[in-house]
Amino acid sequence: GAGVSQSPSNKVTEKGKDVELRCDPISGHTALYWYRQSLGQGLEFLIYFQGNSAPDKSGLPSDRFSAERTGGSVSTLTIQRTQQEDSAVYLCASSPIMTDPGELFFGEGSRLTVL
Amino acid sequence: GEDVEQSLFLSVREGDSSVINCTYTDSSSTYLYWYKQEPGAGLQLLTYIFSNMDMKQDQRLTVLLNKKDKHLSLRIADTQTGDSAIYFCAESITGTYKYIFGTGTRLKVLA
Repeated sequence: GAGVSQSPSNKVTEKGKDVELRCDPISGHTALYWYRQSLGQGLEFLIYFQGNSAPDKSGLPSDRFSAERTGGSVSTLTIQRTQQEDSAVYLCASSPIMTDPGELFFGEGSRLTVL
Repeated sequence: GEDVEQSLFLSVREGDSSVINCTYTDSSSTYLYWYKQEPGAGLQLLTYIFSNMDMKQDQRLTVLLNKKDKHLSLRIADTQTGDSAIYFCAESITGTYKYIFGTGTRLKVLA
């Protein structure tokens, strides 16, 4: 399909393990966002990419979180030494830059459960 | 600061109108949006309004914007069971890449 693809859709891991979440944006979309959705917390901004660079990493909750984007396309969000409070749905969105009205196109998310 | 607030839950009967409210704090937003999230799915843009407009109507949806009070609402006429979902209010901040989302309102439509 032509939409934003995220994998895995579900991940159960043990506390202390590392996890990688992948996002494949819509082809040609230069902007890519990661959000975290926790119960009752809405969407929490994590990081924004413009091409391969991340001008704003201010939303990353701790230094256990990192993200990269290669080839202006696929992005990986890595969480090291996972904690139970990391359990959430991680949503990726992409957008063609500088268009009105600036719609974000979301993937279905990766649900992370840390036991 | 930037903050978007919504009530968490709304329950209506099928056929009634639903009104979902949102307040925001950043007066420099360019567009305000309503996104819909169905169970197990990502968010999809439902409708949007440019910040210099007061109202926008799109079939069963009516968006009202009160810039003075920084209040946005979404009215769904003749609400159907398929409208059951979480609705997120969001704003884009002029001149930036930033999109600020609210907490989401879970709409439950009772048959």
